[in-house]
Amino acid sequence: RKEVEQDPGPFNVPEGATVAFNCTYSNSASQSFFWYRQDCRKEPKLLMSVYSSGNEDGRFTAQLNRASQYISLLIRDSKLSDSATYLCVVSGNSGGYQKVTFGTGTKLQVIP
Amino acid sequence: EAQVTQNPRYLITVTGKKLTVTCSQNMNHEYMSWYRQDPGLGLRQIYYSMNVEVTDKGDVPEGYKVSRKEKRNFPLILESPSPNQTSLYFCASSLWGSNTEAFFGQGTRLTVV
Repeated sequence: RKEVEQDPGPFNVPEGATVAFNCTYSNSASQSFFWYRQDCRKEPKLLMSVYSSGNEDGRFTAQLNRASQYISLLIRDSKLSDSATYLCVVSGNSGGYQKVTFGTGTKLQVIP
Repeated sequence: EAQVTQNPRYLITVTGKKLTVTCSQNMNHEYMSWYRQDPGLGLRQIYYSMNVEVTDKGDVPEGYKVSRKEKRNFPLILESPSPNQTSLYFCASSLWGSNTEAFFGQGTRLTVV
């Protein structure tokens, strides 16, 4: 089983749609969780951190479920500019060192 | 402007010819790391550094070396590159530890022939 798993997509959605991505992780000792956005051939950039209580930033909502070991990202009212690959990132101490694990990403294409 | 700068952006080299990819950050971050990104495999951590003179292996350290002599710089060294090291490489820095936001450089596309 991969340490961090994401559906690779692509998710093709019309403008204005709501889309949700899930990500599962295997290490129950993981401490921090993030969603990054990566545009084609560009560097990843932080979209939002994910907290146990859930957090919202405009059209984006992230949730963490520690019991089931998954995190989610909800995008409401999709814009063309949301087209990108969304990376789930999990970090924490593992085997005595700081470990950062990226999912392989979920590709989103918003269609006019 | 706060940034992470990598050089070169593109590099084609031959098997066995030593090369260095530089990485520099101007945010006074403690934590720096190197990743490689390959299709279907995502980003994988090569090495990381918690602070000056403190480095540690990530998931895929074989064939790579790093050093952290100054806080701002974290070069990646390939002593004897091989074709399986052809990849897109990213350097990143974080204020402290891997639990804080990572800022990435623009990437270095390396081809080893």
